[in-house]
Amino acid sequence: GAVVSQHPSRVICKSGTSVKIECRSLDFQATTMFWYRQFPKQSLMLMATSNEGSKATYEQGVEKDKFLINHASLTLSTLTVTSAHPEDSSFYICSASRDSNPNEQYFGPGTRLTVT
Amino acid sequence: SQKIEQNSEALNIQEGKTATLTCNYTNYSPAYLQWYRQDPGRGPVFLLLIRENEKEKRKERLKVTFDTTLKQSLFHITASQPADSATYLCALRSYNTDKLIFGTGTRLQVFP
Repeated sequence: GAVVSQHPSRVICKSGTSVKIECRSLDFQATTMFWYRQFPKQSLMLMATSNEGSKATYEQGVEKDKFLINHASLTLSTLTVTSAHPEDSSFYICSASRDSNPNEQYFGPGTRLTVT
Repeated sequence: SQKIEQNSEALNIQEGKTATLTCNYTNYSPAYLQWYRQDPGRGPVFLLLIRENEKEKRKERLKVTFDTTLKQSLFHITASQPADSATYLCALRSYNTDKLIFGTGTRLQVFP
């Protein structure tokens, strides 16, 4: 199979602090990973495309200095929410695809971030 | 503007019936369209992919159709079961991009 994990599954932090979320492809290598955000009863919104060994590509309206993405290896991408505020509270989901089949994306279980 | 629309109202059907969910899009030229299942508090799970030159795809009790003239995809679950209750998302990918754009999803509730 193709399994993608995320850690942590839930995190609560205080306003102004930073939070790091990890996304791992457990049994395959992924040159490209994607980060999404989902607000309650809304669709997944693509935040950025993470490329191993290079800078991430951010979608319009997403602040790259606030949402730091690092894709240091073929199995790990991290998203750091810097100086988090309550409006950053959301469900963050990553996905990855096999290099051999980029058409099929495998999603992680998501991370619920609550900023108090 | 570009839109992917799914019925935001929940679909409630009786066990054993066929559930049909709709995905409409405007101002896209999709290379392919995908359907995902999402349970509460979980990430989406891939179900089916259909390409622009395909009319229909089947997988067990699932069937997807794709009409590029109507700019619509239909997702059918036959002999539905309570375990099929979830939110179903459609997503499309345009040519020359590796991005998936998602619809808002339709919640399906199958009752015994």
